[in-house]
Amino acid sequence: EVQLLESGGGLVQPGGSLRLSCAASGFTFSTYGMSWVRQAPGKGLEWVSGISSRGDTTYYADSVKGRVTLSRDNSKNTLYLQMNSLKGDDTAVYYCAKSVGAVVAGRAMDVWGQGTTVTVSS
Amino acid sequence: SYALTQPPSVSVVPGQTARITCGGNNIGSKGVHWYQQKPGQAPVLVVYDDRDRPSGIPERFSGSNSGNTATLTISRVEAGDEADYYCQVWDSSSLELFGGGTKLTVL
Repeated sequence: EVQLLESGGGLVQPGGSLRLSCAASGFTFSTYGMSWVRQAPGKGLEWVSGISSRGDTTYYADSVKGRVTLSRDNSKNTLYLQMNSLKGDDTAVYYCAKSVGAVVAGRAMDVWGQGTTVTVSS
Repeated sequence: SYALTQPPSVSVVPGQTARITCGGNNIGSKGVHWYQQKPGQAPVLVVYDDRDRPSGIPERFSGSNSGNTATLTISRVEAGDEADYYCQVWDSSSLELFGGGTKLTVL
């Protein structure tokens, strides 16, 4: 079964850091691009970041650029999102999603995890 | 930056056809993907590349894209189709972009 399992969310103070992880199983992780999409409470979907299958191309939304680093370890079938200088606006459920192809640009996301919740509050 | 516009809500009677639009400047030149999200659940891809359906998605779900409007059409609507629907495109300036979402209510 194709599966994505996010972890690493939690309560963090403003200015703090978190590293989210997404463990993939049931497919050849190294051949697909991956993305993070978040959803603030009661709001719509917001794309955060994407990475190509080999990890050589990354993209970031303007709202997180400079504060977030996306990486992947294909030997461990795991995607990571390092988030620094967190703000209240970063409070959301963070979903990991698989691209239908090796790149993320313009490609649909056909598999989603159940999400991990990040709460930024003092 | 590029912007996508969806109606906040669409209502339909069971058995009828629901049409959810996604507006954007010359969106017909872009590939549009559609997602369904039910409360408390992760999004599910229902249409990709304007009109293709992933395996397991009923034929009742179809898509089109031309000019400044992309449309998700749900035929013979069922109570289980009630959900939020989001369109998604890639734009060179905005990168990956989602529409604001449309809440489909089945009356």
